[in-house]
Amino acid sequence: GNSVTQMEGPVTLSEEAFLTINCTYTATGYPSLFWYVQYPGEGLQLLLKATKADDKGSNKGFEATYRKETTSFHLEKGSVQVSDSAVYFCALSISLFYNQGGKLIFGQGTELSVKP
Amino acid sequence: GAVVSQHPSRVICKSGTSVKIECRSLDFQATTMFWYRQFPKKSLMLMATSNEGSKATYEQGVEKDKFLINHASLTLSTLTVTSAHPEDSSFYICSARDEGGSETQYFGPGTRLLVL
Repeated sequence: GNSVTQMEGPVTLSEEAFLTINCTYTATGYPSLFWYVQYPGEGLQLLLKATKADDKGSNKGFEATYRKETTSFHLEKGSVQVSDSAVYFCALSISLFYNQGGKLIFGQGTELSVKP
Repeated sequence: GAVVSQHPSRVICKSGTSVKIECRSLDFQATTMFWYRQFPKKSLMLMATSNEGSKATYEQGVEKDKFLINHASLTLSTLTVTSAHPEDSSFYICSARDEGGSETQYFGPGTRLLVL
């Protein structure tokens, strides 16, 4: 079946540290991959996405590359800030052509806490 | 960018009453919207897929008579929690899929429901 696995949190970093949150997936067909961020008490915001192999999504200093050979979509940021503290969700969406209705399948979320 | 709103943001009700939550896509049309439930420190659980002009598709284990979904227009879907009980207390989040080619889902800010 289709699934997403993220590294467990919480992840605690000092400001300006390098961030990696691992995400791997299993999927039939050709998924699109997403990272969403959820700040406390809020809904999810799309952070970045990639729709095909070797695509790199980037936004606000975050990056993730769609690696088909390793079925991974790891999230990275070179220098985190306190304001990056949030829960990060990796997700995949199967193409509508595979009759999945475009559903998003989420990983379990990784909580990031950045200390000054 | 694509904006999805939810109303109300927070609601407290007595056990046995019904609560309606609205989800609106503000600057795009959405044939398909999704309703999720999120428990504290947990990932999102897809409850149902809301289809404009047709019946919603519910995920396994979700009671369709308890969680009524109406997708009356291309910009509005409603979720009604009928005869609410304390165990229905949760954070409910909707999303709307941008049909304009990207198939990206954009999320509302969520509705916190507390049933006393």
